[in-house]
Amino acid sequence: GQQLNQSPQSMFIQEGEDVSMNCTSSSIFNTWLWYKQDPGEGPVLLIALYKAGELTSNGRLTAQFGITRKDSFLNISASIPSDVGIYFCAGQPSGGSNYKLTFGKGTLLTVNP
Amino acid sequence: GAGVSQSPSNKVTEKGKDVELRCDPISGHTALYWYRQRLGQGLEFLIYFQGNSAPDKSGLPSDRFSAERTGESVSTLTIQRTQQEDSAVYLCASSLALAVINEQFFGPGTRLTVL
Repeated sequence: GQQLNQSPQSMFIQEGEDVSMNCTSSSIFNTWLWYKQDPGEGPVLLIALYKAGELTSNGRLTAQFGITRKDSFLNISASIPSDVGIYFCAGQPSGGSNYKLTFGKGTLLTVNP
Repeated sequence: GAGVSQSPSNKVTEKGKDVELRCDPISGHTALYWYRQRLGQGLEFLIYFQGNSAPDKSGLPSDRFSAERTGESVSTLTIQRTQQEDSAVYLCASSLALAVINEQFFGPGTRLTVL
């Protein structure tokens, strides 16, 4: 099946620092989504990207849909302790079903106050 | 309104026993999805429902896994003769309609441990 390579696997940063994580694929994706999962909870959608080159912000979060349609990144600016959690990228592969998402393995973010 | 709920939140069972996991989607959401999340892994798609129908069951790991949905509402994921490899968090999600463009709202999951 489709594989998404998400990096880094984990990050340890100081409060106030900026964070960047990304996902890459060997094949083209039509949609990129970024989720955050808190312990004991289900993932919550942060940002959705539907068009190559699209750059979208949600507060301190910014995400981009790569021009090649094979990658996406998520930036978090001025991190705060509540940013702690696991961040997942997910995408809909080109030519695949319009309801199936492929997920990356996640980036575990720890923010030291 | 209420979000997606799942029960039980935790389930510990012995190898070989059957388990049933329940999902209550958001009212009015016609699409419902089940995912499996193994420790340190991303979400693995298992099955989806459009209404009460599950047209694509190819994501189910084996014939020990089955799912049903009734009244275009509650869904049950059943795992028969559980194996230790079935240990994972099982997540349910629902959306207004069946399409990636419609946001999937996730429940908190059921953590299954097979001893």
